[in-house]
Amino acid sequence: EPEVTQTPSHQVTQMGQEVILRCVPISNHLYFYWYRQILGQKVEFLVSFYNNEISEKSEIFDDQFSVERPDGSNFTLKIRSTKLEDSAMYFCASRETENEKLFFGSGTQLSVL
Amino acid sequence: RKEVEQDPGPFNVPEGATVAFNCTYSNSASQSFFWYRQDCRKEPKLLMSVYSSGNEDGRFTAQLNRASQYISLLIRDSKLSDSATYLCVVNMNTGNQFYFGTGTSLTVIP
Repeated sequence: EPEVTQTPSHQVTQMGQEVILRCVPISNHLYFYWYRQILGQKVEFLVSFYNNEISEKSEIFDDQFSVERPDGSNFTLKIRSTKLEDSAMYFCASRETENEKLFFGSGTQLSVL
Repeated sequence: RKEVEQDPGPFNVPEGATVAFNCTYSNSASQSFFWYRQDCRKEPKLLMSVYSSGNEDGRFTAQLNRASQYISLLIRDSKLSDSATYLCVVNMNTGNQFYFGTGTSLTVIP
């Protein structure tokens, strides 16, 4: 069964450093997402991406965040200058068409020290 | 007002029990609805989509009430392996954003 792949599974970084979280969505999917989940809290929407551009973003997705699809398979989330409060599990998700179900990767646990 | 609201629980039920979760959503134009299951520190996994006519998958039954803007999930004959957090997810009329509820925690006790 096709799946969304995320790397790394864990990332530890110092406050102020840049991190790049990587995702390979399912190959025939057209819509890509980043979500985050702070420990013990709800899954929060960050950004959606379609047709090589951001289609929606939340208020969490401020100027320190950016997304890119550098080639035909990867979808990345960059956090430019990490803060302690960026510590969370980051999930990538993809779906095939509108209103269809989301498939999630296994997540990257980001710890900012 | 939150877009999607769920009772966080926790629900602690004995094996074999029937348990029901409800979820309400704020946007009456919402188009699609799902229940996801999330195990501790794992990714959400789709349990089932929710259709207007209601749908069933084995021990799981989902219902949608558009007039009252709520969704329900019924689990019959609970198993230990059903212990997880159940997430209500709604695709709002914007089309591209899925809103998650806070999740309802279920523990099935032997």
